[in-house]
Amino acid sequence: KAGVTQTPRYLIKTRGQQVTLSCSPISGHRSVSWYQQTPGQGLQFLFEYFSETQRNKGNFPGRFSGRQFSNSRSEMNVSTLELGDSALYLCASTKDGATGALHFGNGTRLTVT
Amino acid sequence: GESVGLHLPTLSVQEGDNSIINCAYSNSASDYFIWYKQESGKGPQFIIDIRSNMDKRQGQRVTVLLNKTVKHLSLQIAATQPGDSAVYFCAETNQGGKLIFGQGTELSVKP
Repeated sequence: KAGVTQTPRYLIKTRGQQVTLSCSPISGHRSVSWYQQTPGQGLQFLFEYFSETQRNKGNFPGRFSGRQFSNSRSEMNVSTLELGDSALYLCASTKDGATGALHFGNGTRLTVT
Repeated sequence: GESVGLHLPTLSVQEGDNSIINCAYSNSASDYFIWYKQESGKGPQFIIDIRSNMDKRQGQRVTVLLNKTVKHLSLQIAATQPGDSAVYFCAETNQGGKLIFGQGTELSVKP
């Protein structure tokens, strides 16, 4: 069974630009969560989607948004990029988000210059 | 301003010794706890989990202990191997897909 797949693996963007990251969950998993990992703040929850609906949201500004498609694949978007948005963005999936551990992808490394 | 990197606690052990990694969690309402291992360049990898109605759970070479009274979680790794070198995170939740992660502990295994 394939794991959680995130694309691209690396991205370099300039301040003010926007970026879209993609995540394909494990087959059969309907809940997708996104996390931001930085040396300064550690791992922080961004949002969770289940059946195309945002079910939970972390404390990030509105520049961070996401969506989920009918096949459970998810994208997150960051608009008007700031230097502080440089981070490893991790996607995780579970069957229903209510039980069982999250399974993580290897992340997208975003660098904002 | 410029953010300062987290200074991760570090645990250094000799190959073959047992390792104990500790974690204090924050929310007394959390009912599910997970330990993850993260190697360089990879995402967190599930190791073992425990629900709040248990105080101990064992896996292959790993044991998790939960003390709800003092909100403390520990991960014990038996016969630690060089391949166990990584950063270990505890995570807590009572909201399914929303995990709250600890700061992490870097485990270094000396051959």
